[in-house]
Amino acid sequence: ETGVTQTPRHLVMGMTNKKSLKCEQHLGHNAMYWYKQSAKKPLELMFVYSLEERVENNSVPSRFSPECPNSSHLFLHLHTLQPEDSALYLCASSQLSSGGYNEQFFGPGTRLTVL
Amino acid sequence: GDSVTQMEGPVTLSEEAFLTINCTYTATGYPSLFWYVQYPGEGLQLLLKATKADDKGSNKGFEATYRKETTSFHLEKGSVQVSDSAVYFCALRSDDMRFGAGTRLTVKP
Repeated sequence: ETGVTQTPRHLVMGMTNKKSLKCEQHLGHNAMYWYKQSAKKPLELMFVYSLEERVENNSVPSRFSPECPNSSHLFLHLHTLQPEDSALYLCASSQLSSGGYNEQFFGPGTRLTVL
Repeated sequence: GDSVTQMEGPVTLSEEAFLTINCTYTATGYPSLFWYVQYPGEGLQLLLKATKADDKGSNKGFEATYRKETTSFHLEKGSVQVSDSAVYFCALRSDDMRFGAGTRLTVKP
């Protein structure tokens, strides 16, 4: 595997389910991100992990819970979601250097539908 | 805060037409600028970048020049193909990444 991978690619869940999205990067980067992409809305940054520490949480509801067990893996745990949470969830990674964060590399996304 | 504004779509062109997608930015300091492309059913892919004023990024026939005086980074291609149909995002990086809203391009044969 190369680049950034995400599983599953598609997920349908009910509002009472608990599920997790997985992201893995094979680029040796030290920062990882979760984005939400909804139809006709700008890309929304949800969480940022740098050196496995959460450094940003953009007022995301607690029904979304991120986990970064190591620099290569990032999870997004989902529980009691709402239909408006249906979207494409994108994971990205980048390298934090002395000059700041370099460009981000994205995975293919997980298309989530909440019934 | 820093922000990116790009032209609203959708943009529909015929094959071999000239493409321009406008992008302007607001930032303190000297950000790096990027264009990403998202093909249907896929994530964003880095198309090109420029890290300082007057730099020209280019890839796959696409070009964009970092214009500090006009705070712009317009994307151009001389002759588009049907396979260029996608959503294009302008972005900047200073302390963090900021993305534009995206411009959907459809190229018809």
